[in-house]
Amino acid sequence: QLQLQESGPGLVKPSETLSLTCTVSGGSITSSSYYWGWIRQPPGKGLEWIGSMYYFGSTYYNPSLKSRVTISVDTSKNQFSLKLTSVTAADTAIYYCARGLYNSGWYHFDYWGQGTLVIVSS
Amino acid sequence: EIVMTQSPATLSVSPGERATLSCRASQSVSSHLTWFQQKPGQAPRLLIYGASTRATGIPARFSGSGSGTEFTLTISSLQPEDFAVYYCQQYNNWPLTFGGGTKVEIK
Repeated sequence: QLQLQESGPGLVKPSETLSLTCTVSGGSITSSSYYWGWIRQPPGKGLEWIGSMYYFGSTYYNPSLKSRVTISVDTSKNQFSLKLTSVTAADTAIYYCARGLYNSGWYHFDYWGQGTLVIVSS
Repeated sequence: EIVMTQSPATLSVSPGERATLSCRASQSVSSHLTWFQQKPGQAPRLLIYGASTRATGIPARFSGSGSGTEFTLTISSLQPEDFAVYYCQQYNNWPLTFGGGTKVEIK
């Protein structure tokens, strides 16, 4: 059974860097059938895609966050990570990692982690 | 960026009734659309992908239709566990974008 688990600090100070890791179990992060992504949800609001990456390195980011976001993979640990720099209170949200599944030439998110709340506050 | 617009924002329905949720894309996304269900305190759960294909384990009362710019999620007979927020999301173009959600509440 595939599981994705987010981990990282729940509190980050303004102007600092938010760093989260998603550990994948029950499946290989290097399979070409998948890609991996981050999505966030401010408390009480809707979903916002942050970025996605294929294990071999191609990454795609939301233009609204692109200058501050890096997604990377550690295949030896079956993990992928999110770094968001220069955070403000507007970055307070539940952060989800998710798997994108290949189907007929396209990838759609199918499994999500449980999410982790990150609060930006001094 | 493709803007996804869901309507209505809130839908009040009695258990056993039919619910019809709409999702509109600002430009064609072909059939590259997913529907997710989210309950309080939980991660979104995939219901439909490819606009009309139910994900594994999703009951047959959930159905999706549409292509291009107009999409519909229908819940044929609402069960108590179906009261939740539903999101559509397009995966035809980067950046991936979500609709604002439709909350299905008990009437």
